[in-house]
Amino acid sequence: AQSVTQPDIHITVSEGASLELRCNYSYGATPYLFWYVQSPGQGLQLLLKYFSGDTLVQGIKGFEAEFKRSQSSFNLRKPSVHWSDAAEYFCAVSTSGTYKYIFGTGTRLKVLA
Amino acid sequence: DVKVTQSSRYLVKRTGEKVFLECVQDMDHENMFWYRQDPGLGLRLIYFSYDVKMKEKGDIPEGYSVSREKKERFSLILESASTNQTSMYLCASIPGTTYEQYFGPGTRLTVT
Repeated sequence: AQSVTQPDIHITVSEGASLELRCNYSYGATPYLFWYVQSPGQGLQLLLKYFSGDTLVQGIKGFEAEFKRSQSSFNLRKPSVHWSDAAEYFCAVSTSGTYKYIFGTGTRLKVLA
Repeated sequence: DVKVTQSSRYLVKRTGEKVFLECVQDMDHENMFWYRQDPGLGLRLIYFSYDVKMKEKGDIPEGYSVSREKKERFSLILESASTNQTSMYLCASIPGTTYEQYFGPGTRLTVT
């Protein structure tokens, strides 16, 4: 069965530090991969997506993610975190040809001033 | 900008009540979804619809039903609310041409 694992429930970083949020998926074929961010009390906003092609994808708010097929991973990175990045981040996978997503359980990011 | 709206941000209902959660999107999207979000469990798919009057069960449909009479509106119905249905409910839609989901702001439902 398909699954998405976000091994870190909580992450705390200092403002200005770099960030990497981990995401591993289990799926036989090449999946469509997404990262979403959810600010407190809000819905989810798409940060970036990977369908095919270049394995390093750029998103909004200075985020990027790298698809590594050999590791079944799609980790999210940001070189310098801002206090406004404090939120919950979700990785998701969708199978080609369907619109159903499977979401990870989320990683809550705290940013220290 | 795509807009997905949900009828209420906060809702408090009593056990046994019939509850309607409404979702409207303004971009003529074919596909619409209802999720519930619980701490530590992420988002779990309740139902989805890929066309008017069409619906399919997601991963946790028990205790819920849905209605899609018009393309822009997708309703989630709790026939007899129970305390274990206290949760955040998120609606989303996808246009037929992409796989990107657009989310509403969510409805936090409390069943007492």
